[in-house]
Amino acid sequence: SQKIEQNSEALNIQEGKTATLTCNYTNYSPAYLQWYRQDPGRGPVFLLLIRENEKEKRKERLKVTFDTTLKQSLFHITASQPADSATYLCALDIGAGNQFYFGTGTSLTVIP
Amino acid sequence: NAGVMQNPRHLVRRRGQEARLRCSPMKGHSHVYWYRQLPEEGLKFMVYLQKENIIDESGMPKERFSAEFPKEGPSILRIQQVVRGDSAAYFCASSPLGQGRNQPQHFGDGTRLSIL
Repeated sequence: SQKIEQNSEALNIQEGKTATLTCNYTNYSPAYLQWYRQDPGRGPVFLLLIRENEKEKRKERLKVTFDTTLKQSLFHITASQPADSATYLCALDIGAGNQFYFGTGTSLTVIP
Repeated sequence: NAGVMQNPRHLVRRRGQEARLRCSPMKGHSHVYWYRQLPEEGLKFMVYLQKENIIDESGMPKERFSAEFPKEGPSILRIQQVVRGDSAAYFCASSPLGQGRNQPQHFGDGTRLSIL
């Protein structure tokens, strides 16, 4: 069966450090992988999309990598700020009708 | 999440009642998706609709749940004869017409359904 795993433990880091979140998947060969941010009581907000033929994607302080051999994506936030504190979700397409599978998310807290 | 509007934000029902959740997609979007989120769990896909068509309902429970996206008006997720296990946050997302799987989904802020 399909499975997506993100860091099971909450991640606490000091302000200014780089946060690295992982997303591992099995039994998929996704063409696209997306990362979203979700704040308490709110819906997810799209951050980045990376295609299977792209190794790395950057947007301001965010960087995503996509290793189809390891079946893993890494999400980095450099120079982290307390405002980056949120839950981060990865989502994979499964090749049918725009349907995406979401991971359970990783809770990130940036400590001032 | 300006753009995708969901209402109500909170809905309380007693067991056996019906729940109707509404979603107005972003302007110009004609693809709508419904997800359910339970505490400590990820977003679970329920159904994907286009105007007047259900494209993929593989995530919908076979009984009591239905969804529609009429030509005019919002998309509706309807839960009949609600049970305690239906308590969850229900999110709607939309994406532009015909853009395929490489497009982000734009989410509303959800409806929190509580069953007494």
